[in-house]
Amino acid sequence: SQQGEEDPQALSIQEGENATMNCSYKTSINNLQWYRQNSGRGLVHLILIRSNEREKHSGRLRVTLDTSKKSSSLLITASRAADTASYFCATGGLYNQGGKLIFGQGTELSVKP
Amino acid sequence: EAGVTQSPTHLIKTRGQQATLRCSPISGHTSVYWYQQALGLGLQFLLWYDEGEERNRGNFPPRFSGRQFPNYSSELNVNALELEDSALYLCASSFGGSRTDTQYFGPGTRLTVL
Repeated sequence: SQQGEEDPQALSIQEGENATMNCSYKTSINNLQWYRQNSGRGLVHLILIRSNEREKHSGRLRVTLDTSKKSSSLLITASRAADTASYFCATGGLYNQGGKLIFGQGTELSVKP
Repeated sequence: EAGVTQSPTHLIKTRGQQATLRCSPISGHTSVYWYQQALGLGLQFLLWYDEGEERNRGNFPPRFSGRQFPNYSSELNVNALELEDSALYLCASSFGGSRTDTQYFGPGTRLTVL
């Protein structure tokens, strides 16, 4: 079963606008990662935030983590048409936890030019 | 540095046949993971190999199997194919041991079972 849920399931915005996606998870975590998937191809790693971090930035990406609420958000600022993709959060992956990543259902982002 | 590679890109089989999918990890990575992404079911963990051994297995029947070779590349075999095996199969790699955090994914193999 999936670890959590992403919200919204789909998001449509205009170029230049900001996009915010949320992820909730069920169990305690050591870190949480965000991935992007273009058109049903491979996943691209975007950012990893550790459980003792509250916020992390990478270029136009900003991730927050609230372990008390078991939730994370991904903000893409000044979006571009090339940001159109599905975005997934994932937890797990640690060697001593069976190695597997557990993914949310994903948010499908459409950025219109 | 080359990323994770997978072959073939597309594979078409009929029910009952066997499929073999291949994956080469990033140089220096010893762990290889397999995931299935079927329509409507999301990304599901299949198998994890590290240093040539199977370390963990997802909730899939035994007809899904694989192995990891001495050069850390990996092969996923699916026997007695069923229609519901049609999916995108993604391979990922990472460093082994306690350094494992981020998994880097390949472009996937699209398996279609007719």
